[in-house]
Amino acid sequence: KAGVTQTPRYLIKTRGQQVTLSCSPISGHRSVSWYQQTPGQGLQFLFEYFSETQRNKGNFPGRFSGRQFSNSRSEMNVSTLELGDSALYLCASSPTGFNTGELFFGEGSRLTVL
Amino acid sequence: AQSVTQPDIHITVSEGASLELRCNYSYGATPYLFWYVQSPGQGLQLLLKYFSGDTLVQGIKGFEAEFKRSQSSFNLRKPSVHWSDAAEYFCAVGAGYSSASKIIFGSGTRLSIRP
Repeated sequence: KAGVTQTPRYLIKTRGQQVTLSCSPISGHRSVSWYQQTPGQGLQFLFEYFSETQRNKGNFPGRFSGRQFSNSRSEMNVSTLELGDSALYLCASSPTGFNTGELFFGEGSRLTVL
Repeated sequence: AQSVTQPDIHITVSEGASLELRCNYSYGATPYLFWYVQSPGQGLQLLLKYFSGDTLVQGIKGFEAEFKRSQSSFNLRKPSVHWSDAAEYFCAVGAGYSSASKIIFGSGTRLSIRP
């Protein structure tokens, strides 16, 4: 069974640009969560989607948005990029709508903002 | 409020030596507890989990962890480390059948292996 796939793996953007990251969950998994990981802040929850609906959102500005498609694939978008958005963005999937904490992570998308 | 503390930011052990990584949690009810490992440039991989029952849980790669309710701890152990164990380790606590937003990750412990 294929794991969680995130694309692109690496990208470089400049301030003010926008970026879209993609996540394909494990087949059959309907819940997708996104996390931002930085050396200073650690792992921070961005948002969670289940059946195309955003169930929860972390404490991030409105520049961060996401969506989930009917095939459970998810995208997140960051507009008007700032230097502080440089981070590893991790996507995680889980099989059911209610999460015990057993998450299956992708390898992440490393975003560098110059 | 839920919280997870990993008191050790960085630990170095010799290859073949035993390992114990500390994790303390604060949670009002019986927690769901996890250890994840992250190799450089990779995502997180679940090592083991505790939901209920036997307080000593076995995981992958020869790791085990013991849930001690009286000490609010869930320490990770391995009897003999290998160079490939060098990675960052995260303890996490979940509320049990709830949103992923309720899962709290510790700040991580970076493990280095001395040849």
